[in-house]
Amino acid sequence: NAGVTQTPKFRILKIGQSMTLQCTQDMNHNYMYWYRQDPGMGLKLIYYSVGAGITDKGEVPNGYNVSRSTTEDFPLRLELAAPSQTSVYFCASSYSRGLATNEKLFFGSGTQLSVL
Amino acid sequence: AQRVTQPEKLLSVFKGAPVELKCNYSYSGSPELFWYVQYSRQRLQLLLRHISRESIKGFTADLNKGETSFHLKKPFAQEEDSAMYYCALSETSGSRLTFGEGTQLTVNP
Repeated sequence: NAGVTQTPKFRILKIGQSMTLQCTQDMNHNYMYWYRQDPGMGLKLIYYSVGAGITDKGEVPNGYNVSRSTTEDFPLRLELAAPSQTSVYFCASSYSRGLATNEKLFFGSGTQLSVL
Repeated sequence: AQRVTQPEKLLSVFKGAPVELKCNYSYSGSPELFWYVQYSRQRLQLLLRHISRESIKGFTADLNKGETSFHLKKPFAQEEDSAMYYCALSETSGSRLTFGEGTQLTVNP
């Protein structure tokens, strides 16, 4: 059981380049999330999905796009990379919407992205 | 909108000393609160949640609705407690967490 798998672990982009951060989970979780982690800023939610075919914006969606064609995969797309997108990106998943009850987030190991 | 504040970015204590990581929140409804921890070179993981009223690795946290706080406490810190700690809030029956800024705890020998 691999849990939440993110690729790549590290990436350097030039300004204006595009890339996709991959995230897949093998726990049959309905809910998936993308966060970015900046020093002193905590984790900010970029996008999330409550199931295949459904996505919604989080706190900081500008400059990003997502899709959820399958339950397992939730890729994050950067179309025109900017230095402000230099960050550590975390994908996470949970079984249901019941975060207020006994559910918890399972996190991937993160992607360190630098835009130069 | 909900908000979570961790006033201390860095906290340093000596081994065996008590430690308290502060967390304050603002939310108009009844929140559900969590502490997540990220040890060096490991994934972010759940430490504890207030609804379980549990003690994990010697840590406890009590929800104080009057003070809108959810401080994390441990009476005797250990070196292996050194990590980044995040307080997080979920709306009742909500589908996403709002995280605080994080506190880097260092426990010195």
